[in-house]
Amino acid sequence: DTAVSQTPKYLVTQMGNDKSIKCEQNLGHDTMYWYKQDSKKFLKIMFSYNNKELIINETVPNRFSPKSPDKAHLNLHINSLELGDSAVYFCASSLQLTYNEQFFGPGTRLTVL
Amino acid sequence: AQRVTQPEKLLSVFKGAPVELKCNYSYSGSPELFWYVQYSRQRLQLLLRHISRESIKGFTADLNKGETSFHLKKPFAQEEDSAMYYCALSGQANAGKSTFGDGTTLTVKP
Repeated sequence: DTAVSQTPKYLVTQMGNDKSIKCEQNLGHDTMYWYKQDSKKFLKIMFSYNNKELIINETVPNRFSPKSPDKAHLNLHINSLELGDSAVYFCASSLQLTYNEQFFGPGTRLTVL
Repeated sequence: AQRVTQPEKLLSVFKGAPVELKCNYSYSGSPELFWYVQYSRQRLQLLLRHISRESIKGFTADLNKGETSFHLKKPFAQEEDSAMYYCALSGQANAGKSTFGDGTTLTVKP
């Protein structure tokens, strides 16, 4: 299946831990994104990468570090998790940086206890 | 500033009734506007985009540059339309950043 995939689907962890979420797209897209959807369903962009280069870092705490080993992957590492990090994190990709439909992953529901 | 406003957080209609989800935007230049839909506990998916001028699942949206609006309409709502709807904007400015509205939860009652 051609798609955007994320792992894990669910992540439950304790405050202070470090965790990673992986994202892969096999659509041949140049641009990938991370979004955070909070409990009120507000969707906020966190990062965007174009051809492995960081384009947008939307005032996200530096505990969040994205890594793009190649165009098809964009992983998110989170250090020292806090209660407020609990949310659903969506990865997405688009063909190019501008004027393009975004394809979303299934989301990772992160719960910090 | 680049902004998308969806004034209604919740919208409830009866099956068969017309529905309109409002979207207003602020952007310097020529944006592209999108509507995305998220069914319960699923991923977001594109519903339609203004440049394609298509009707998807009976929904249409017209870009009104004078009123800076991109309202989503359907003449006869169905129960399966119940979902979260996000209006989004993309353009050349701000490094191609896409901006999403806060979303409108549509409930279609039987």
